[in-house]
Amino acid sequence: GNSVTQMEGPVTLSEEAFLTINCTYTATGYPSLFWYVQYPGEGLQLLLKATKADDKGSNKGFEATYRKETTSFHLEKGSVQVSDSAVYFCALPFGNEKLTFGTGTRLTIIP
Amino acid sequence: DTAVSQTPKYLVTQMGNDKSIKCEQNLGHDTMYWYKQDSKKFLKIMFSYNNKELIINETVPNRFSPKSPDKAHLNLHINSLELGDSAVYFCASSHLNDRVGGYTFGSGTRLTVV
Repeated sequence: GNSVTQMEGPVTLSEEAFLTINCTYTATGYPSLFWYVQYPGEGLQLLLKATKADDKGSNKGFEATYRKETTSFHLEKGSVQVSDSAVYFCALPFGNEKLTFGTGTRLTIIP
Repeated sequence: DTAVSQTPKYLVTQMGNDKSIKCEQNLGHDTMYWYKQDSKKFLKIMFSYNNKELIINETVPNRFSPKSPDKAHLNLHINSLELGDSAVYFCASSHLNDRVGGYTFGSGTRLTVV
């Protein structure tokens, strides 16, 4: 079945540093891929998505490219801010009924 | 207007009690879900309903019983609460078979069993 493997955290960076959070997937076919973000004390929010191979999703300065050659969907941001501190989840559909999430990566940005 | 709303936001209760969590969505989605998030932030699906019909029932103790009176509501009732039930429970909604749109989540219910 479809699954995602996500970079383990926690990740701590200084403000304005470059961020990469790795995500690789195993899937039948080419499902849509998602990144969700959970800010402290809140629910999950869709951050970005890509619906087919070679698509790039982007939002709030974050980007991720759907790479079928390496079965990856790594999340990147060129210059992180303190407000980016959150838990980030990679996700993909499992069958037609549910979204399967990675284990989450906690990101802390230090001023 | 909140798209997916859960109540209560916090719930502290003693072992052995019975409690309910309510969820409502106003997005016109036909499918709703309950996820459990443990202390390590791991998310696991528990149940899914499509148009009031149960379509996913993961390996969850039968002390947990979801109820969907209509497609806009999915409630979770928990009997005989145990310490291990302490977690954050998230409700979510989507269109079934919409493999592009993703889910919309509620803000969560933090359940603490003492």
